[in-house]
Amino acid sequence: GENVEQHPSTLSVQEGDSAVIKCTYSDSASNYFPWYKQELGKRPQLIIDIRSNVGEKKDQRIAVTLNKTAKHFSLHITETQPEDSAVYFCAAGGNEKLTFGTGTRLTIIP
Amino acid sequence: DGGITQSPKYLFRKEGQNVTLSCEQNLNHDAMYWYRQDPGQGLRLIYYSQIVNDFQKGDIAEGYSVSREKKESFPLTVTSAQKNPTAFYLCASIAGTSNTEAFFGQGTRLTVV
Repeated sequence: GENVEQHPSTLSVQEGDSAVIKCTYSDSASNYFPWYKQELGKRPQLIIDIRSNVGEKKDQRIAVTLNKTAKHFSLHITETQPEDSAVYFCAAGGNEKLTFGTGTRLTIIP
Repeated sequence: DGGITQSPKYLFRKEGQNVTLSCEQNLNHDAMYWYRQDPGQGLRLIYYSQIVNDFQKGDIAEGYSVSREKKESFPLTVTSAQKNPTAFYLCASIAGTSNTEAFFGQGTRLTVV
């Protein structure tokens, strides 16, 4: 089955700096790679996703890149703000299951 | 108000008892999923269902059971066979297969006392 690994598990960055979170997946049949943000005490919510026919996608300060050959994808957050502090999950889907990574706790230091 | 609703928000269970967590959605989604969330372990898939009257085991199905008698409902039963049931449980629904956005419920925190 699919295995998704996510790094780092915790990340602290200075406000205004960039943050990068990386994930790898094992199943070459996966074709959908979403990122979810979970604020404290709340449900996970989709912030951006990418499909396997695209190498990069950007939405304002958030971007995701995908390398199908290497089976890895990354989340990039630029100009970080205090409200970006949360737990971020990557996931891989497209083969019935949606498999999540172990999460990254991002802390923005004012 | 469309969405996916889990109940209760907090649940306490005595050891040896079965307990059922509710998950209802009015999004007309075909697929529904149950995940368990533990600190440092992300979201682990317990069971999923792509269609009514059909469901599949996920990665950590032992000690759990589900049913999918209606499209809108996907209840999860935590049985006494589950060795470490204290956790945060999240239900999600997806419109089609697993390559579109998943919508999550607000979660149920189960504590065994």
